[in-house]
Amino acid sequence: GDSVTQMEGPVTLSEEAFLTINCTYTATGYPSLFWYVQYPGEGLQLLLKATKADDKGSNKGFEATYRKETTSFHLEKGSVQVSDSAVYFCALSGRGRGSARQLTFGSGTQLTVLP
Amino acid sequence: DGGITQSPKYLFRKEGQNVTLSCEQNLNHDAMYWYRQDPGQGLRLIYYSQIVNDFQKGDIAEGYSVSREKKESFPLTVTSAQKNPTAFYLCASSTVRENTEAFFGQGTRLTVV
Repeated sequence: GDSVTQMEGPVTLSEEAFLTINCTYTATGYPSLFWYVQYPGEGLQLLLKATKADDKGSNKGFEATYRKETTSFHLEKGSVQVSDSAVYFCALSGRGRGSARQLTFGSGTQLTVLP
Repeated sequence: DGGITQSPKYLFRKEGQNVTLSCEQNLNHDAMYWYRQDPGQGLRLIYYSQIVNDFQKGDIAEGYSVSREKKESFPLTVTSAQKNPTAFYLCASSTVRENTEAFFGQGTRLTVV
């Protein structure tokens, strides 16, 4: 079945440091890939997505490139801020019974940015 | 504003009780989902539905039940058969087209007392 493996946390960085959170996946066919962010006590918000190989998703200074050859979708940001402190989830879309989409999630990476 | 509303935000259950978590969406999405989140873990799929009056079990459906009588609503009942129900529950919805993301509610934290 589909699976997502994410870099284990927690990750602690100083403000303005460079961020990389690794994500690799296993899936049949051609999944779409997503990064979601979760702030404390809240639901998940879509951060960025990529729907085909070599696509680059970007939002709020975060970027990730869909690498089919390495089955990876690593999240990067050049200069993190304290407000980026959250849990980040890598996910892929798959297929369940019928035509409904399902998301398979990684285990999440807790990021703390210190001032 | 369009979105997904979960209620209540916090819920306490006594041993042996059934409780129902509400999820309503006004995004006109066909598909709806329930996930369970435990500390330090990813999300696990409980149930999903792609159309009114139809739903399928996810990976951890035992001890849970759902209904989909209206397109906008997908309530989750945590029954007394669920042995470890304390968790954060997330509802989501999406279209059934390819390559579209899911939208999430704010979650319900259920605690057994």
